[in-house]
Amino acid sequence: DSGVTQTPKHLITATGQRVTLRCSPRSGDLSVYWYQQSLDQGLQFLIQYYNGEERAKGNILERFSAQQFPDLHSELNLSSLELGDSALYFCASSVGTGGSETQYFGPGTRLLVL
Amino acid sequence: TQLLEQSPQFLSIQEGENLTVYCNSSSVFSSLQWYRQEPGEGPVLLVTVVTGGEVKKLKRLTFQFGDARKDSSLHITAAQPGDTGLYLCAGAKASGTYKYIFGTGTRLKVLA
Repeated sequence: DSGVTQTPKHLITATGQRVTLRCSPRSGDLSVYWYQQSLDQGLQFLIQYYNGEERAKGNILERFSAQQFPDLHSELNLSSLELGDSALYFCASSVGTGGSETQYFGPGTRLLVL
Repeated sequence: TQLLEQSPQFLSIQEGENLTVYCNSSSVFSSLQWYRQEPGEGPVLLVTVVTGGEVKKLKRLTFQFGDARKDSSLHITAAQPGDTGLYLCAGAKASGTYKYIFGTGTRLKVLA
């Protein structure tokens, strides 16, 4: 158990819909990262927040947005869903923002868009 | 564009054999990490290497960071069924802040 929790574990929805994925970081960690893992693209970095502020942006689509709240939990919002958005979405957390941070990954949310 | 290529993509070996997984890039990384991921779970960090030429050992696993900090290798000695999983390398690129780029992955299966 990494100490990072993600809900829901599974999500099935239809194209065009909007969903929200939730992540609670490990106690004491200020950084939260979001990743998308699909069979053809591997693990792709989406976005990072540190202490409530956006810190780094990766390959995140404009239809996707995220935020980190004062209690440090984070939400990833996916809208206008397409079939290709079906993937595993992981949240990870770390203490800081350095280049050799240990990231602790949650168990992931499996999203299926039908 | 995939910046970190891993080879081989798939590897199936017998228990007791040795193996090496490679992680290659044309980019320089501030640090490189190796993770192992099991089905239905998130990746778990195995090691972080920071200095060019650095070698780290974790029981039967030996990790090396290339001198130019563009590549890395993971060597497993006397593989065991418990080593089965997806091995991922991840490089940290500094461009104002740090972004982590994951490799294509190597799926290892160790047969008893």
